[in-house]
Amino acid sequence: DQQVKQNSPSLSVQEGRISILNCDYTNSMFDYFLWYKKYPAEGPTFLISISSIKDKNEDGRFTVFLNKSAKHLSLHIVPSQPGDSAVYFCAAIIMNRDDKIIFGKGTRLHILP
Amino acid sequence: DTAVSQTPKYLVTQMGNDKSIKCEQNLGHDTMYWYKQDSKKFLKIMFSYNNKELIINETVPNRFSPKSPDKAHLNLHINSLELGDSAVYFCASSQEYDQPQHFGDGTRLSIL
Repeated sequence: DQQVKQNSPSLSVQEGRISILNCDYTNSMFDYFLWYKKYPAEGPTFLISISSIKDKNEDGRFTVFLNKSAKHLSLHIVPSQPGDSAVYFCAAIIMNRDDKIIFGKGTRLHILP
Repeated sequence: DTAVSQTPKYLVTQMGNDKSIKCEQNLGHDTMYWYKQDSKKFLKIMFSYNNKELIINETVPNRFSPKSPDKAHLNLHINSLELGDSAVYFCASSQEYDQPQHFGDGTRLSIL
């Protein structure tokens, strides 16, 4: 049973527009969420995170929004750039218990020129 | 119906021992990976196999060796375990390098 779900395997966005990547989770015990970015033939690299006590965290062009009641988070990239083309993973952790990351399957983002 | 399964989920052992972690995927994917999570945020790729050929070997100690008996399996062997090897190890698979990956649940390795 998937605890972290990314229902869109791929997404295409025009350069300069906003990219919105979505993620849903089922376990209400998760209290820390992360987004990773992965280029082909490389490992995922950490991008941005958010604690469950917040509903928004912003870092440059990247903003993560958390809606706990809906068990939903999203990553916004504004404006989208060609270098943003990659696979993005949503992940979640229960802090101070297991610390094991639970990953979604990822969404492939393709930025169109 | 588990797509990527790792065994064991937890492994507690002593320094100096040799251990293996198994990984199997039933998705028909061509590429499999091993990652090490050594902090809350950082995930380090260790190996990947594409059609039984080692493609990536990030400079991990040669005490770690991947073994792929067939396309559906990529096992991780660790010799002479050290304290610093304590971490969570993830197996994953994908059809191609630039496709979404399916992760296993992770194996927590604790060295005493």
